[in-house]
Amino acid sequence: DAGVTQSPTHLIKTRGQQVTLRCSPKSGHDTVSWYQQALGQGPQFIFQYYEEEERQRGNFPDRFSGHQFPNYSSELNVNALLLGDSALYLCASSLTGGISPLHFGNGTRLTVT
Amino acid sequence: SQQGEEDPQALSIQEGENATMNCSYKTSINNLQWYRQNSGRGLVHLILIRSNEREKHSGRLRVTLDTSKKSSSLLITASRAADTASYFCATDGVGYSTLTFGKGTMLLVSP
Repeated sequence: DAGVTQSPTHLIKTRGQQVTLRCSPKSGHDTVSWYQQALGQGPQFIFQYYEEEERQRGNFPDRFSGHQFPNYSSELNVNALLLGDSALYLCASSLTGGISPLHFGNGTRLTVT
Repeated sequence: SQQGEEDPQALSIQEGENATMNCSYKTSINNLQWYRQNSGRGLVHLILIRSNEREKHSGRLRVTLDTSKKSSSLLITASRAADTASYFCATDGVGYSTLTFGKGTMLLVSP
């Protein structure tokens, strides 16, 4: 049973560029959440997708956008990259309804130069 | 901003010793969860405690919750080198299973 998979594992981009990160949720999960984790910090909630719609959003600018596909996989897009966007981006999946722990992927390490 | 604050920020112990980490949070919660993160990898769920529970056990883990003090503690008994990781508490947000994480406690267990 495959867990949450993310691609790519590492990425280096230049300021001003755009990036797309991808996530496949754990089998049977229908909800995908994205988190940003800066070095030495805890994960910060970016947004959550359910039924192909953004259901909740954290305190992140509109440069951060996402998408969920009919197969529940998801993408995170970041436009106009800033140096401060360098971080580990984590995708987590869960099953909606009730209390469902998050299952995390191993993340994408984004470095903006 | 982060809801939870773990204490201490870092903890270094010998194998076989117990490790205790604390978490404080600011607003009312439905449940509190603890996660472990090995260096640079994804987080792994350890245990969940509901707001109407005071203590919960899972293997070598013991979690307590004091909602009047808005605090929780995670005890790892008989620590092993493999327990070396960062530990985060997380509280549920407003609906839809979104979680707010603290900054974490970095645990180092030496053989």
